[in-house]
Amino acid sequence: EPEVTQTPSHQVTQMGQEVILRCVPISNHLYFYWYRQILGQKVEFLVSFYNNEISEKSEIFDDQFSVERPDGSNFTLKIRSTKLEDSAMYFCASSGGGRAGSPLHFGNGTRLTVT
Amino acid sequence: SQKIEQNSEALNIQEGKTATLTCNYTNYSPAYLQWYRQDPGRGPVFLLLIRENEKEKRKERLKVTFDTTLKQSLFHITASQPADSATYLCATLPMYSGGGADGLTFGKGTHLIIQP
Repeated sequence: EPEVTQTPSHQVTQMGQEVILRCVPISNHLYFYWYRQILGQKVEFLVSFYNNEISEKSEIFDDQFSVERPDGSNFTLKIRSTKLEDSAMYFCASSGGGRAGSPLHFGNGTRLTVT
Repeated sequence: SQKIEQNSEALNIQEGKTATLTCNYTNYSPAYLQWYRQDPGRGPVFLLLIRENEKEKRKERLKVTFDTTLKQSLFHITASQPADSATYLCATLPMYSGGGADGLTFGKGTHLIIQP
């Protein structure tokens, strides 16, 4: 069964550094998402992406964050200057869309640790 | 904005019994609710979706109900097995929206433990 893949599985970075988290969504999906989950907390929506542009973003997704689909297969999340509070599990997801409520297919996440 | 409330305490159920998990939402009635399973260190896995005009949805040993009067969805696992042990998440829209790129609001999840 097709799956969403994320790399790296674990990223350690120093505060103030830039990080890029990478995702390969399911190939025929049209909608792409980033979510994050701070340890012990709920899964939180960051941003959705459709037709090569941001469709929706949450308050968490401030100017330090950006997303890009540089080619036909990758979807990236960049954090420009990481803070300690950015430490979390970051999940990429994709959906076929077409109808509201289409299930999200999540990757297994990148654990980001900011020191 | 919409809030999703799930019992954050662990739910211990004996193998073979039916596990029932609760999801309450606080404001408007959403167009749909989704249920996901999450294992430690893994991404959520979609299980079931129920729309506002549906009372009940089934898939194998799983059943979901949607009561717009009570603002509640119940998630049942019948004939539970130790392999069903996981955290189960309820999710819906933060506002009434029919778009395809909806950013879901998740509950914190209920940790289910099925004891042999």
